[in-house]
Amino acid sequence: GQQVMQIPQYQHVQEGEDFTTYCNSSTTLSNIQWYKQRPGGHPVFLIQLVKSGEVKKQKRLTFQFGEAKKNSSLHITATQTTDVGTYFCAGPKPNTGNQFYFGTGTSLTVIP
Amino acid sequence: NAGVTQTPKFQVLKTGQSMTLQCAQDMNHEYMSWYRQDPGMGLRLIHYSVGAGITDQGEVPNGYNVSRSTTEDFPLRLLSAAPSQTSVYFCASSYSEGESSYEQYFGPGTRLTVT
Repeated sequence: GQQVMQIPQYQHVQEGEDFTTYCNSSTTLSNIQWYKQRPGGHPVFLIQLVKSGEVKKQKRLTFQFGEAKKNSSLHITATQTTDVGTYFCAGPKPNTGNQFYFGTGTSLTVIP
Repeated sequence: NAGVTQTPKFQVLKTGQSMTLQCAQDMNHEYMSWYRQDPGMGLRLIHYSVGAGITDQGEVPNGYNVSRSTTEDFPLRLLSAAPSQTSVYFCASSYSEGESSYEQYFGPGTRLTVT
């Protein structure tokens, strides 16, 4: 069945360092979504990528969707303590709109 | 506009007890879903609904029932709780149109412990 894998599982960085999490799917995705979950909170939507090779930026966050639409990455430049949380990617089940398979998440700790 | 609400926030059950987790949204979203979140496993889809009167199974449906009598409400029932159902449960809703994907709005979650 479809699988969405995410690495690394954990990442500790000094404040000001960069951070990247990678997402890989066993199947081609029609789109990919990214969510952030603060400790003790619920997932909050960050962005959706649809086109092959698409790159989108939100301030210090850069999201990429691979050319083959099977992988994606989230890069944070110059991390801040407010970036702490778990970042999830999610890809839809083929031929569906909103049935998503979530990656296992990357938990980011930022050391002040 | 409250978004997605869930009750209760915390619950402790004994093995074999039943209970209903409540979920409601006020955004008129057709699509609603239930996920469980376990350490190291991300979120896994339990059941989903594409509109009132229509429900279907997700990845991990065993031990759970759902119904959707209105657009707003999507309760999740545990018929006979087991320790393996100890988890954090999230309800989510989103706009729905064909096979297009849209932002999912999550509720605050219910932390369930089964002893």
